[in-house]
Parts: sequence; structure tokens; C-alpha cells
Amino acid sequence: NAGVTQTPKFQVLKTGQSMTLQCAQDMNHNSMYWYRQDPGMGLRLIYYSASEGTTDKGEVPNGYNVSRLNKREFSLRLESAAPSQTSVYFCAARGFARNTIYFGEGSWLTVV
Amino acid sequence: ELKVEQNPLFLSMQEGKNYTIYCNYSTTSDRLYWYRQDPGKSLESLFVLLSNGAVKQEGRLMASLDTKARLSTLHITAAVHDLSATYFCASGSDSNYQLIWGAGTKLIIKP
Repeated sequence: NAGVTQTPKFQVLKTGQSMTLQCAQDMNHNSMYWYRQDPGMGLRLIYYSASEGTTDKGEVPNGYNVSRLNKREFSLRLESAAPSQTSVYFCAARGFARNTIYFGEGSWLTVV
Repeated sequence: ELKVEQNPLFLSMQEGKNYTIYCNYSTTSDRLYWYRQDPGKSLESLFVLLSNGAVKQEGRLMASLDTKARLSTLHITAAVHDLSATYFCASGSDSNYQLIWGAGTKLIIKP
């Protein structure tokens, strides 16, 4: 049971480049999330998807776009990367009962 | 402003001691989450507290929830080195898909 799988795990980008972080879950959960975590800080919500076909902005959406491709997959795109987007990105999934939230392993992104 | 405040943010303690981490939240919430994060790793679910007075225990960790005071506590009993990690609490509700996270408490337990 893989749970929540994120790719890539590590990525270095140059300023202005674009990239997509992929996330897939095999738990049939409705809600999916993208968070960023900066050193010594908690989690900040970038975007979330309450269910397939819907997406909503979180606390820090600027510079990002998302796609909920189907119930399993929720991708995060950086259209023009900036050094301020250097962070660790976590994808998460939450079930119908909205109890436990399962996190992916994280994607370490550095923008130079 | 919706807020979750944890304290302390940093705690260094000796093995064998007891201590409590506090999580105050300002939101109307019907559930409170506790997570553990090891350095360079993902977040691992510890507890979900769903009602006032809820208490859950796993090993040396015990979490409780007081919805009237909007306070949750994570109590560590007879700490051991393996419990060194950062602990996060988060407030959520059934009607709101977003969670509000605390800044985390970095716990170092010295042998």
C-alpha cells in the first residue's frame, strides 16, 4: 500500500523555469492538498481539492497552479520559478471521514 | 484571524522526564490533529481528537482535547531519546476542508 506518492523527490531549478510536481494516492480519498514547509516553520496550504473536479486556493497560492486530473492525481505547477519558492512541498490526502490525513514523502525544491 | 499556537516552540529535556506541549486554537473546530515529523522526513499521524474530553494514548504519548478552552495537550511520560522530533498540531472541522497548523514544537531528548 503506497499511500501518497510524490515525484520528484529532489529538484533544482533555475529562476524562470517551470516544472510540475506530481502526486498520486491509492486510498480512494476525496480531498487532496499541496503544502509547502519552509525551514523551522509549519505547513502552509498552497491549494486544495475537496473532490475530483474542484480546486481552491489556500493560504499561499501565488505563483502556483494545480490540476486535479482524476480522483487519484493532484499536480502542482510552478510556471516561472522564483528563489522564494525554494521549499519542501508535501502532498496530502484526506478521507471522507476527514480523520487521518496522509502525507507524501515530500519534494525538496531549490530555485537558484 | 484563524490561528493555532503551540508552545513551547523548542524544548530540550532529559530522558526520563515528563513534559507537556500545548496547542491553543482560535477556530471553531470539531477535531484536533497531532503529527510527528523527523528531520528530513514526512509527517506521521499520531492522534485525531474528535470530541471534548477526548483522551488518546500511544506508548509514552498522551493527547487530550478541551474544546471549551480550545486547548489540546500532548503529554510525554518518561521521555526517551527516540521521541526526539518536531510535533505539530492542527485544527480542523467537518465543514471546512482547510486545516490550520501550528508552527511545531521541536523536541530534543538528551540521553
